[in-house]
Amino acid sequence: DAGVIQSPRHEVTEMGQEVTLRCKPISGHDYLFWYRQTMMRGLELLIYFNNNVPIDDSGMPEDRFSAKMPNASFSTLKIQPSEPRDSAVYFCASSIAGGHETQYFGPGTRLLVL
Amino acid sequence: SQQGEEDPQALSIQEGENATMNCSYKTSINNLQWYRQNSGRGLVHLILIRSNEREKHSGRLRVTLDTSKKSSSLLITASRAADTASYFCATAQGAQKLVFGQGTRLTINP
Repeated sequence: DAGVIQSPRHEVTEMGQEVTLRCKPISGHDYLFWYRQTMMRGLELLIYFNNNVPIDDSGMPEDRFSAKMPNASFSTLKIQPSEPRDSAVYFCASSIAGGHETQYFGPGTRLLVL
Repeated sequence: SQQGEEDPQALSIQEGENATMNCSYKTSINNLQWYRQNSGRGLVHLILIRSNEREKHSGRLRVTLDTSKKSSSLLITASRAADTASYFCATAQGAQKLVFGQGTRLTINP
């Protein structure tokens, strides 16, 4: 299996631009998680899906962030408009048995907002 | 909110020595997991220990869990240069999600 796939791996954009991050979970995994990692705040859970349905989005920082999962093999995290404080590494992870069990992380998208 | 807190924040040892990292948490848990993150990479799951287990082994890794003290430790024996990474504990709470600590940065010197 190819593991969790994320694209792009690096993104540099200017403040105010829309940013879309993409994730393909491991086939057969029913849970998908979006995390953000910064030096100051560590690894934070933004939102997670179960069977394509958003279950908990309490970690989404504000309305500028949105996430979708139109099917079992694809999810997006969108930031519109982007701000410099959104600069971070964004990880997608998936799990076959639930959020309490082993999570498999993608390589991450390193976002820099200028 | 941070659930797991790792200690120390950074650890530097010589190759071949053992490395011990600790994790403390605040509320009851279903299980506790340890992950490794190499620089610039995603997290990799190392081991999961359930709340009714006290010790678990995987290769050179040994994890202990003391629910009465709300703490866990990760021991890496006979360390290698390739073990250089950040190590995170993650606690599974009531909801279907993990809460990660800030991590321990481990450096193995040749």
